[in-house]
Amino acid sequence: QKEVEQNSGPLSVPEGAIASLNCTYSDRGSQSFFWYRQYSGKSPELIMFIYSNGDKEDGRFTAQLNKASQYVSLLIRDSQPSDSATYLCAVNGKKSNTGKLIFGQGTTLQVKP
Amino acid sequence: GAGVSQSPSNKVTEKGKDVELRCDPISGHTALYWYRQSLGQGLEFLIYFQGNSAPDKSGLPSDRFSAERTGGSVSTLTIQRTQQEDSAVYLCASSLVMVGDTQYFGPGTRLTVL
Repeated sequence: QKEVEQNSGPLSVPEGAIASLNCTYSDRGSQSFFWYRQYSGKSPELIMFIYSNGDKEDGRFTAQLNKASQYVSLLIRDSQPSDSATYLCAVNGKKSNTGKLIFGQGTTLQVKP
Repeated sequence: GAGVSQSPSNKVTEKGKDVELRCDPISGHTALYWYRQSLGQGLEFLIYFQGNSAPDKSGLPSDRFSAERTGGSVSTLTIQRTQQEDSAVYLCASSLVMVGDTQYFGPGTRLTVL
């Protein structure tokens, strides 16, 4: 079992729709969760981070964390073609006493005009 | 302020040669990380530096890989006797201090081993 799992996609949504990206993780003691966006040929850029159970909203983005289910998701409302990218879920696990992040393989999102 | 910078942006080398990749973290960030991203793959942790503590080298794939961080700032990742499977984008990230702090990535160095 991979430590952090994401559906590779592609996930295709029409412009203006809600895109839902999901991630599961294996280390139950994980404490910090991040979503990064990566455009083709570019480096990852932070979208959101979440530490506590529940929802966290920032503009069109909402991160949801459920530690009991070991599940974290990212919702993108009013999706735009510029949101088309690969979304990486990253987790800092309790087993790690350093800051290293364990990344999922990423989900490719395509927003069609 | 300036973000994380890396050099060179691209490096093409022949199998068996040594290469050095450089990372300059965000000013004031004490934690520095190296990751590798192979074509179509996720990011793979390589090494982590935090202040004067011993680095976490648990992700280095072989003893051909080494890294150092001088003066708590600039870091150099060295790959000796490069192999074709070393071809990847090498990404450096930095964060403020605490475990769990947000990591900010540099633009990466694309390494191609012929």
